[in-house]
Amino acid sequence: QQQVKQSPQSLIVQKGGISIINCAYENTAFDYFPWYQQFPGKGPALLIAIRPDVSEKKEGRFTISFNKSAKQFSLHIMDSQPGDSATYFCASRRGSQGNLIFGKGTKLSVKP
Amino acid sequence: EPEVTQTPSHQVTQMGQEVILRCVPISNHLYFYWYRQILGQKVEFLVSFYNNEISEKSEIFDDQFSVERPDGSNFTLKIRSTKLEDSAMYFCASTYSRDEQYFGPGTRLTVT
Repeated sequence: QQQVKQSPQSLIVQKGGISIINCAYENTAFDYFPWYQQFPGKGPALLIAIRPDVSEKKEGRFTISFNKSAKQFSLHIMDSQPGDSATYFCASRRGSQGNLIFGKGTKLSVKP
Repeated sequence: EPEVTQTPSHQVTQMGQEVILRCVPISNHLYFYWYRQILGQKVEFLVSFYNNEISEKSEIFDDQFSVERPDGSNFTLKIRSTKLEDSAMYFCASTYSRDEQYFGPGTRLTVT
């Protein structure tokens, strides 16, 4: 009930292509779904987030699609760039105190 | 832009020793968290702290761990008697509203 399942584990995309990372959650009490980007040796940095009352959110080249009935959400990176190469974590939050439950991460490599 | 800072960046300690990891959250934030990330694995929640007390903790956060906010700016994680399996990156995070959690750069703890 507390898990967040993320796929794929790794992803290679050509420069200019679309990167798509998927997550699925089990607990319907989750109310906030952020994506974090992490570069080697650094802390996770908040990229974009969505609440379950919205089906899509776009910020620049990054879009979250949210499917409440399927309990799934995904990150789309349009026009992927080599600088986007990083590990991406989806997360979910269950109400009150805000602690995040993370997926296992997707290592994205964007080839020039 | 305000950021979460953590010291030290790397701590090496012997098994059984006590360590204190320090964090300075963003100044107007109200909620504070510790997470850890074992090398190559997902980020795991340890503890959340609000209004000068622990609000939630995970099963990882056993009696060997404690947290403290000794003054208006620092937030510390103490491990009383370190074990080999405590070796990990430890991230502090803070937020004003429980939504956008901002992570520090982490402290790499190596227990030998």
